[in-house]
Amino acid sequence: DTGVSQDPRHKITKRGQNVTFRCDPISEHNRLYWYRQTLGQGPEFLTYFQNEAQLEKSRLLSDRFSAERPKGSFSTLEIQRTEQGDSAMYLCASSPPGTSHTDTQYFGPGTRLTVL
Amino acid sequence: AQTVTQSQPEMSVQEAETVTLSCTYDTSESNYYLFWYKQPPSRQMILVIRQEAYKQQNATENRFSVNFQKAAKSFSLKISDSQLGDTAMYFCALAYGGATNKLIFGTGTLLAVQP
Repeated sequence: DTGVSQDPRHKITKRGQNVTFRCDPISEHNRLYWYRQTLGQGPEFLTYFQNEAQLEKSRLLSDRFSAERPKGSFSTLEIQRTEQGDSAMYLCASSPPGTSHTDTQYFGPGTRLTVL
Repeated sequence: AQTVTQSQPEMSVQEAETVTLSCTYDTSESNYYLFWYKQPPSRQMILVIRQEAYKQQNATENRFSVNFQKAAKSFSLKISDSQLGDTAMYFCALAYGGATNKLIFGTGTLLAVQP
């Protein structure tokens, strides 16, 4: 098992451009989370998928943000019309189904977004 | 609302010594879990230790142990025999079951282990 992977690791974009990030969870993990971490802060929850269903979205997820998990495996997070305030580390995490450790989330390395 | 507070932005410890990181939380839920995650510089976040709220016994993982005081809503992390590789940002986090189990994080404590 190779762990949670995220691509790209770094993204620099100009304000107003669209960006898309990808997350590949650990195999067999049906739960997938996106978090955002700004400098000096802890991660903040953005959205949650169970299989392909998006079951919860944070108020942080404005209408410029959209996330998908079309086949219940990898997920994408798209930000449209990026703003400088979107600059942050975007973290993906996954957790397994139906075990006593369902609550434990395993994190990827993150995608660091810089909006110029 | 669920909140997690870490009041120590930075701490320093000498190699081989013991250090305790503090965390307090607030939740109205009866079924919840508490975690300490470690985020080394430029590396991904990894789980250090977890505690189920219904368990009275404090969790331990090798050199890491917690002091879980449920009534006081306190969840501190003790690192024994500190090693240089323990240098990292440490986050305390709360998950309160339900359909999502999303994590609520504190602001973190930056621990520096000095040689």
